[in-house]
Amino acid sequence: NAGVTQTPKFRVLKTGQSMTLLCAQDMNHEYMYWYRQDPGMGLRLIHYSVGEGTTAKGEVPDGYNVSRLKKQNFLLGLESAAPSQTSVYFCASSELRPDNTEAFFGQGTRLTVV
Amino acid sequence: RKEVEQDPGPFNVPEGATVAFNCTYSNSASQSFFWYRQDCRKEPKLLMSVYSSGNEDGRFTAQLNRASQYISLLIRDSKLSDSATYLCVVNPLQGGYNKLIFGAGTRLAVHP
Repeated sequence: NAGVTQTPKFRVLKTGQSMTLLCAQDMNHEYMYWYRQDPGMGLRLIHYSVGEGTTAKGEVPDGYNVSRLKKQNFLLGLESAAPSQTSVYFCASSELRPDNTEAFFGQGTRLTVV
Repeated sequence: RKEVEQDPGPFNVPEGATVAFNCTYSNSASQSFFWYRQDCRKEPKLLMSVYSSGNEDGRFTAQLNRASQYISLLIRDSKLSDSATYLCVVNPLQGGYNKLIFGAGTRLAVHP
């Protein structure tokens, strides 16, 4: 059982380049999330999705776009990467029920923007 | 003010010690609460949910005080393997949607 899979695991970008991070889950979860984690900052929510075809902004959405064309996939795009976007990115998914929002995380993507 | 605040630590304790972590949240309408554990350079994983009546799982006890908007985690008889960062997580259930908000985490180091 793969759970939540993120690709790629590591990436180095030059300032101004674009890239897409892919998150795939095989648990049929409605909710999917993208977080970034920086030292001393904890995980901050970038965007999230409550179902196929829906997306919503989180705490730090600027500079990122997302799409959820299929229920199992949630894509995070950086159109023009900046050094401030150097971070570890985590994708997560969870069920719809509010009393059981255990989130399952991917292993993370370490992105460096130079 | 951050939505979820934690003491960053680190807490350095000997094996066998009891250690307590605290967390406060700002949204009084928050519906559900959790503690996650994150090992170095790994993804977070659910440790336990937190219920109003308090709940226990082996050496771990979680408490919720809605009036004070305060959550705690108590670890008894600390083991070396408990060394990790502990993340307080709140679901404010805004607009009927789940949204997990993480604290910055409290780092625990258990030494022999």
